[in-house]
Amino acid sequence: DTGVSQNPRHKITKRGQNVTFRCDPISEHNRLYWYRQTLGQGPEFLTYFQNEAQLEKSRLLSDRFSAERPKGSFSTLEIQRTEQGDSAMYLCASSRKTTTLNYGYTFGSGTRLTVV
Amino acid sequence: AQTVTQSQPEMSVQEAETVTLSCTYDTSESDYYLFWYKQPPSRQMILVIRQEAYKQQNATENRFSVNFQKAAKSFSLKISDSQLGDAAMYFCAYGMDGGSQGNLIFGKGTKLSVKP
Repeated sequence: DTGVSQNPRHKITKRGQNVTFRCDPISEHNRLYWYRQTLGQGPEFLTYFQNEAQLEKSRLLSDRFSAERPKGSFSTLEIQRTEQGDSAMYLCASSRKTTTLNYGYTFGSGTRLTVV
Repeated sequence: AQTVTQSQPEMSVQEAETVTLSCTYDTSESDYYLFWYKQPPSRQMILVIRQEAYKQQNATENRFSVNFQKAAKSFSLKISDSQLGDAAMYFCAYGMDGGSQGNLIFGKGTKLSVKP
């Protein structure tokens, strides 16, 4: 168990560019979550997967955001045409379906996005 | 919609003393889960303690305990014998099985400082 891994740790991009983040969950976890955390706020839910199926998306996830989890393993979160308001920490978390609310999530260290 | 409120943006405690962090939540559900997460400056969130709403007994994990008042919708965290390593952001979170599929709703957090 190597934990939840997120790459890159930091990303600086110019407004209008596309960015992609990657999350590698704990191998036996079939649920994967993406959250966004802005300065001074708690994490806000974006979307989650059970295996390869994307089961829920928040209204925070605009059309410029897309997430995938091919083969139910790692996941990517892409933001197209980035805006300054997208600057935030993007957190990934994973859990086992049967134990999600027994043991909560395991979080990654996050990817900090800065849009200039 | 469920909400989680942490009314203390910042708290400070002397090393070895006890501190209590407050959390209130709003829900019309009767069966749910509550969590406290710790987010140290390295940014990886760690589960501190969890409480199931149907259990009247307050959860305890070593120096961490909760005061769960279901009728008042209050879920405070008590840290005893505070240590320098307890300095972090603390987030209260609410989760419910069923429609939300285990998504957690977080408060805005309380920044805890520990003075030597």
